[in-house]
Amino acid sequence: KQEVTQIPAALSVPEGENLVLNCSFTDSAIYNLQWFRQDPGKGLTSLLLIQSSQREQTSGRLNASLDKSSGRSTLYIAASQPGDSATYLCAVINTGGFKTIFGAGTRLFVKA
Amino acid sequence: KAGVTQTPRYLIKTRGQQVTLSCSPISGHRSVSWYQQTPGQGLQFLFEYFSETQRNKGNFPGRFSGRQFSNSRSEMNVSTLELGDSALYLCASSQADRTDQYFGAGTRLSVL
Repeated sequence: KQEVTQIPAALSVPEGENLVLNCSFTDSAIYNLQWFRQDPGKGLTSLLLIQSSQREQTSGRLNASLDKSSGRSTLYIAASQPGDSATYLCAVINTGGFKTIFGAGTRLFVKA
Repeated sequence: KAGVTQTPRYLIKTRGQQVTLSCSPISGHRSVSWYQQTPGQGLQFLFEYFSETQRNKGNFPGRFSGRQFSNSRSEMNVSTLELGDSALYLCASSQADRTDQYFGAGTRLSVL
């Protein structure tokens, strides 16, 4: 059974700092992995999607990496801004069954 | 291009009632997935529909059901509501091959 864990659960950093959010999964037979952000009371916004054959994806100040063999993904945020404050969620889709399993999220607060 | 639209945004029901939530996917998207989000359990997969057929199902009781219409719009129904069904219900759409999932703003259901 696939389990997705995100560490840390919460993070508070000063503006301008570079930071890394971690996601680990127990079953390496994944179809893809997707990072989302969620603002309070809102839906999810897709940030980056990494297919199982890829190692990383980049979009602006965001970079996500994937290491299937170790069951890990990281989301790197460069030069953090107060507007980055949100909950960041990692989700994997398994090749068997194609169900989407979410981690519990990392709540990020960037102080001005 | 319009995003994923969920209606209604808020609902208040009492125990024992039933409720129907609606989701209109992005034009051209044929897959619609439903999720339940609660503070205690996080985001949990309910089911996925593709071309009017349920393709995947999570571990929820039979009180939770859904359907998809020929125009890809989907509805989710919960019968005999319980207090524990209070949650944010999110819908996501994607193209046929499980690429990027795009989420709606959600329907917040409160069961009294």
